[in-house]
Amino acid sequence: AQSVTQPDIHITVSEGASLELRCNYSYGATPYLFWYVQSPGQGLQLLLKYFSGDTLVQGIKGFEAEFKRSQSSFNLRKPSVHWSDAAEYFCAVAHPINFGNEKLTFGTGTRLTIIP
Amino acid sequence: DTGVSQDPRHKITKRGQNVTFRCDPISEHNRLYWYRQTLGQGPEFLTYFQNEAQLEKSRLLSDRFSAERPKGSFSTLEIQRTEQGDSAMYLCASSEPGDYTEAFFGQGTRLTVV
Repeated sequence: AQSVTQPDIHITVSEGASLELRCNYSYGATPYLFWYVQSPGQGLQLLLKYFSGDTLVQGIKGFEAEFKRSQSSFNLRKPSVHWSDAAEYFCAVAHPINFGNEKLTFGTGTRLTIIP
Repeated sequence: DTGVSQDPRHKITKRGQNVTFRCDPISEHNRLYWYRQTLGQGPEFLTYFQNEAQLEKSRLLSDRFSAERPKGSFSTLEIQRTEQGDSAMYLCASSEPGDYTEAFFGQGTRLTVV
């Protein structure tokens, strides 16, 4: 069964510092990969996704992620965080042959705290 | 369009009672998903509809749970004889036709069983 691991439960960074959130997946084939953000009391918002092609993916709010097949990783990065980036971040995967069904398997999330 | 709408936002119920949640997807979206999210965990897939057809159900969806989407528009999720373990956030998402179009999530219904 496919699984997603986010090894960091909680990360604290200073405003303006760079950020990297880790995500590893376990799957027989390369799945489709996603990063979502969830602010308190809110639903999930898609930051970016990777299906194929260029392994460096640009998303909204200045985020990017890099797919590394050899490491089964899809880490999320941002060069300079803002206080408004404080939220919970989820990595997710979808089975590439489930055409028409975006059933997602999520990691347990990483809570990001920003300090002034 | 205001996005995916879920009602109620919060529900407190006594153990053993039945509860029903509603999800209104984005109007042109024919796919609808239910997920459950417990504290400190990521969302877990429950079930999926394409139009009115329920095409997949997770083993998490016990026989106390039932979901419907009778006219291919809004959906309801009913939990019968609620248990404390049912306390969670129930999230609905919808997406439009096509291969891996983005799933848009609602704000969820937080259920507390006391």
